[in-house]
Amino acid sequence: AQSVSQHNHHVILSEAASLELGCNYSYGGTVNLFWYVQYPGQHLQLLLKYFSGDPLVKGIKGFEAEFIKSKFSFNLRKPSVQWSDTAEYFCAARGAGANNLFFGTGTRLTVIP
Amino acid sequence: GAVVSQHPSWVICKSGTSVKIECRSLDFQATTMFWYRQFPKQSLMLMATSNEGSKATYEQGVEKDKFLINHASLTLSTLTVTSAHPEDSSFYICSARGDRGRVNTGELFFGEGSRLTVL
Repeated sequence: AQSVSQHNHHVILSEAASLELGCNYSYGGTVNLFWYVQYPGQHLQLLLKYFSGDPLVKGIKGFEAEFIKSKFSFNLRKPSVQWSDTAEYFCAARGAGANNLFFGTGTRLTVIP
Repeated sequence: GAVVSQHPSWVICKSGTSVKIECRSLDFQATTMFWYRQFPKQSLMLMATSNEGSKATYEQGVEKDKFLINHASLTLSTLTVTSAHPEDSSFYICSARGDRGRVNTGELFFGEGSRLTVL
């Protein structure tokens, strides 16, 4: 069965610290992968996505993610976080060409000024 | 970027009443829209896929007679929670998949969500 796991439920960092949020997926075929962010009081926004090609994907606001097929992982990274990065981050996956988008449980990031 | 708007953003109703939530794609057409439900501290769970001009496709375990979905136009899908009960209280989120045109085909855009509280 398809599933997405996010291991960190709540991460607290100081400004300028580096960030890595884990995401693992379970899917039998070709998969599309996404990271969404939800800032307080706002709707989900796409940070970045991976369909094919270069496994290192650059997104908005300095975020990047690396698709490692052998590990079924798509971890989100940012070298230096800012207070404004405080938000909930969701990893999601779907089969290529499929409608269903499966979400992880989300990781709450709190950045302390 | 493309905008998806949900209305109302927050609704409180009495048990037994029905509540309608609208999802509109404001500047693009969406043949396909999706309805999700999110419980506190849990993931978004896909409830159903809404297709313009045809019946919605419901996920396993979702009661289609309880959660009525209508996708009457390329920019509007509605979710009606019929005879709502306290256990239906949740955060409902819609998303729209951009058709060809102004948005990248296949990318999903999310509404801001609608919080339903059933007393």
